[in-house]
Amino acid sequence: DAKTTQPPSMDCAEGRAANLPCNHSTISGNEYVYWYRQIHSQGPQYIIHGLKNNETNEMASLIITEDRKSSTLILPHATLRDTAVYYCIVTNQAGTALIFGKGTTLSVSS
Amino acid sequence: DTEVTQTPKHLVMGMTNKKSLKCEQHMGHRAMYWYKQKAKKPPELMFVYSYEKLSINESVPSRFSPECPNSSLLNLHLHALQPEDSALYLCASSPNRGQGDYGYTFGSGTRLTVV
Repeated sequence: DAKTTQPPSMDCAEGRAANLPCNHSTISGNEYVYWYRQIHSQGPQYIIHGLKNNETNEMASLIITEDRKSSTLILPHATLRDTAVYYCIVTNQAGTALIFGKGTTLSVSS
Repeated sequence: DTEVTQTPKHLVMGMTNKKSLKCEQHMGHRAMYWYKQKAKKPPELMFVYSYEKLSINESVPSRFSPECPNSSLLNLHLHALQPEDSALYLCASSPNRGQGDYGYTFGSGTRLTVV
């Protein structure tokens, strides 16, 4: 799997958009970008994934650059409950087990 | 039912004890996983089961023994553990091997302390 680079930590004010970047410059053509988050003392939670088009669901939006070498996860209106470690993972959809990197610790404050 | 249930939530065991962790899902998923997570570290893959057969063992010591008795149940048998094995043990499942359209579903984990 391609490797990803994320900032170790970010801060965000409650109610503002949280934009979490991820670099994946060695991504292959058949690899997707997946995002998970882990709230303290809970199991990781799937957020969103994409191949090359931007994606949106009820939790977040995913913006992937045209060259696919980086992406941004957007939480449009961050709340205190969004404080968590966010993992960006590049993987194919078939067969490869999920391998976590170090992630970004997002702290949302009031 | 869209959950992965892990029991117990907390476990304290001595180095000579034998204990088991249990993981259950009723989503019809055919792939199940064990991860180990130390404090302030990302989860590390231990084992992957696909259609009830062990398909990946990430060089895990033999004191950890996985078992998949049926498609809904995954166990992790523990024997002669060391204090450094203390960690959060996470179970996950997915419809098939790989991420698919909805990623993995994780349980809340078992917090294991070896004394």
